[in-house]
Amino acid sequence: AQKITQTQPGMFVQEKEAVTLDCTYDTSDPSYGLFWYKQPSSGEMIFLIYQGSYDQQNATEGRYSLNFQKARKSANLVISASQLGDSAMYFCAMRVFNAGNNRKLIWGLGTSLAVNP
Amino acid sequence: DSGVTQTPKHLITATGQRVTLRCSPRSGDLSVYWYQQSLDQGLQFLIQYYNGEERAKGNILERFSAQQFPDLHSELNLSSLELGDSALYFCASSGTAPDTQYFGPGTRLTVL
Repeated sequence: AQKITQTQPGMFVQEKEAVTLDCTYDTSDPSYGLFWYKQPSSGEMIFLIYQGSYDQQNATEGRYSLNFQKARKSANLVISASQLGDSAMYFCAMRVFNAGNNRKLIWGLGTSLAVNP
Repeated sequence: DSGVTQTPKHLITATGQRVTLRCSPRSGDLSVYWYQQSLDQGLQFLIQYYNGEERAKGNILERFSAQQFPDLHSELNLSSLELGDSALYFCASSGTAPDTQYFGPGTRLTVL
């Protein structure tokens, strides 16, 4: 079954410290993509970072990096030097292909991150 | 700003009514997706359109329908509204490669 699991419902981190948000996935497809989105309390869904299943290097975007461990089927998000504005819900999602070769995103339930001053 | 626009931002209506949510995708994106996010069910995929044609259906109720117009904007129609339809409705759009979905700001629907 194709599934995304985020095991941490809530996380706390001190400002300026690094934090890792866990995401494990399950798929038998050889080609897939992994995404992280941020949803602040204002409600919008913001794309953060993408990792393709064939990418050799871990993706990085500014303070965000994706720790991609293919054999362990994990795609953890690392936020370095946390800021108060990082307090939000974070969603991991996996893009797979369904019947008819259409792309489909499978979502995790999210992790709520609170950054303490 | 993702480049995806949604109107209205907020909508308050009564049970049994019908509403239309509107979405304009990012320039050049042919795919439009609709999602429902409620407190108890998380983010639920409703339906996808690609260049005017329905491509994939998720957990969309029969009371809900959508379409994508020739100018690529999309509308989600919700009818016979129930209290449980109160949620945040997102539209997202994507290109083909990369196929990252970019989300609009959402429409917060409250059914009283």
